[in-house]
Amino acid sequence: GNSVTQMEGPVTLSEEAFLTINCTYTATGYPSLFWYVQYPGEGLQLLLKATKADDKGSNKGFEATYRKETTSFHLEKGSVQVSDSAVYFCALSGKAAGNKLTFGGGTRVLVKP
Amino acid sequence: SAVISQKPSRDICQRGTSLTIQCQVDSQVTMMFWYRQQPGQSLTLIATANQGSEATYESGFVIDKFPISRPNLTFSTLTVSNMSPEDSSIYLCSVGGEGGHEQYFGPGTRLTVT
Repeated sequence: GNSVTQMEGPVTLSEEAFLTINCTYTATGYPSLFWYVQYPGEGLQLLLKATKADDKGSNKGFEATYRKETTSFHLEKGSVQVSDSAVYFCALSGKAAGNKLTFGGGTRVLVKP
Repeated sequence: SAVISQKPSRDICQRGTSLTIQCQVDSQVTMMFWYRQQPGQSLTLIATANQGSEATYESGFVIDKFPISRPNLTFSTLTVSNMSPEDSSIYLCSVGGEGGHEQYFGPGTRLTVT
């Protein structure tokens, strides 16, 4: 079946530091890949997505590239802000699973001023 | 993307009681889903709410414990029945996006069972 593995947190950074959160996946077929963000006390927001190999999703300074050869979708941001403190979830969906989302375990990021 | 609201936003309930959570969408959607997020954990899909038919439950979740209604294409309810402290979680509804792959989430209902 489908699965998503992402690096465990918490990840603690200083403001303006570079952020990388690793995400790898196992899936049949050609899934779509997503990053969701959950700010404290809120629901999940779709941060970015990529639907085919070599696609790059980007939003709010975050980027992730769909790497089929390494089955990865790592999230990066060049200069984080305190407001980026949140939990980040990598997820995938595919037709083989009826377009249901499979989530990774989540990575908590704390950015200190 | 669709605007999704949930009621209540939070509640504290006594064990043995039931709580019904409402999910309202501002546009008609085909796919609606219910998730549970236990404290400090990731999301687990409870069921897919199907309009006009019974919900499709994931392994480990049963209709008697989590009955779901989907009377139309903009509304669904999830009931958490005969609650125990282990049911303390955030419950989120989501809807399928137009692309057919992504989902958009409501703000969640934070449930505490004492």
